[in-house]
Formats: sequence, C-alpha cells, structure tokens
Amino acid sequence: SQTIHQWPATLVQPVGSPLSLECTVEGTSNPNLYWYRQAAGRGLQLLFYSVGIGQISSEVPQNLSASRPQDRQFILSSKKLLLSDSGFYLCACGLGGETQYFGPGTRLLVL
Amino acid sequence: GIQVEQSPPDLILQEGANSTLRCNFSDSVNNLQWFHQNPWGQLINLFYIPSGTKQNGRLSATTVATERYSLLYISSSQTTDSGVYFCAVGGGADGLTFGKGTHLIIQP
Repeated sequence: SQTIHQWPATLVQPVGSPLSLECTVEGTSNPNLYWYRQAAGRGLQLLFYSVGIGQISSEVPQNLSASRPQDRQFILSSKKLLLSDSGFYLCACGLGGETQYFGPGTRLLVL
Repeated sequence: GIQVEQSPPDLILQEGANSTLRCNFSDSVNNLQWFHQNPWGQLINLFYIPSGTKQNGRLSATTVATERYSLLYISSSQTTDSGVYFCAVGGGADGLTFGKGTHLIIQP
C-alpha cells in the first residue's frame, strides 16, 4: 500500500516570503496526486491535481502554484505568501479515481 | 459544481451511544468516501462506498446512489471516536469535494 510523506510538518513564514511544500509517495507508481487546503478546521478545498509528470490542473485562482517534477513528487509553491495562505495543507494520492489516501499534512502560519 | 451537505454539524454523545451521520450530495458520483480526522489533523479512510453497504467493526456505511445520500453509523461509541467526520464525493481524477463535516464529541 502507498505511503505519503509531507514536509515540513509545521511552518511559520512572514508575509511576502516564498513557500515550498513537498509531498512524496511510496508504494505505487503513476498515481494521481492532489493538494488540498483546510482552513479554520473545517472542510477541505481542492487546490491542484496532477495525473502525470508535468501535468497540473488548478481548481481555484490563487497565490499558489504546483509542480510535479517526478512521478511520485508533488510540490506546492508560492513566490510571495499572503496572510490568507495560512492553513493546513494536505497532499493526497489516488489511483484510477477510486480511494484517495492523505498524507499527514503541513500546518502553515503566515504572519 | 457538486454540493455536499453533512448533518448534523455538531453532535455530543455519551460513551456507549449509537449515532448516525448523514451526507447528501447534489449529483451522481463515481466516488464517495468517509473520513475521520483525528485531533492531529490526519485524515483516516473509513469507507470507499459509492453505493451499497459496508461494515468495519463498530462502523458501517450505506450509500443510496439513486437518492443521493450516504449514512455513516457508529455503534457503541468510544471516546476515541471523537473528531470530525467528513464525507467527500467525486468522479475520475478530478479530486474530491468535501462536506463541511460533523464534529463528534464522545463524553466518558
């Protein structure tokens, strides 16, 4: 079964600073990968998804971008963080549109 | 896009009680999952259940796809069942749409 790693676990960044969150997957190949954000402890919002290397689809316009440089690596980035980027970021992995599994998440606080 | 509504938003029960959580969705789906988010934020898969009934220990779930709802049953609640329960739906590789969750508190 697949294992999803995310780092860092927590991050405190000043407004205007850059961001890079990393997600890696073990135990599977060619997965669909997803970034979600959870704000205020309720409800997850899909940010990006990828069905393959270099293929990124965005669900909402925002201050963030995503990249997939390798089959099992998914990166979430920002050039300049906003206060509203604070939240809990979760990476997920799915196969063929069925069950999605989630990583442990990264808590981001922008001050 | 598809709408997902969960009820109740909050539920407080005594240990040993049974509970039923409901998820209504606005369109047909290929994927429906129930998750439990623990106090550390980890989303734990409970069921993948786009239709039919499944059981796992004290938990069971039923999805009636034609009527666009799913139910999660928790029997003989324990304090470790506390947390937020999410229903999420989707289709294909497009990701999941989550409900706002049910915040369950089990008191000893």
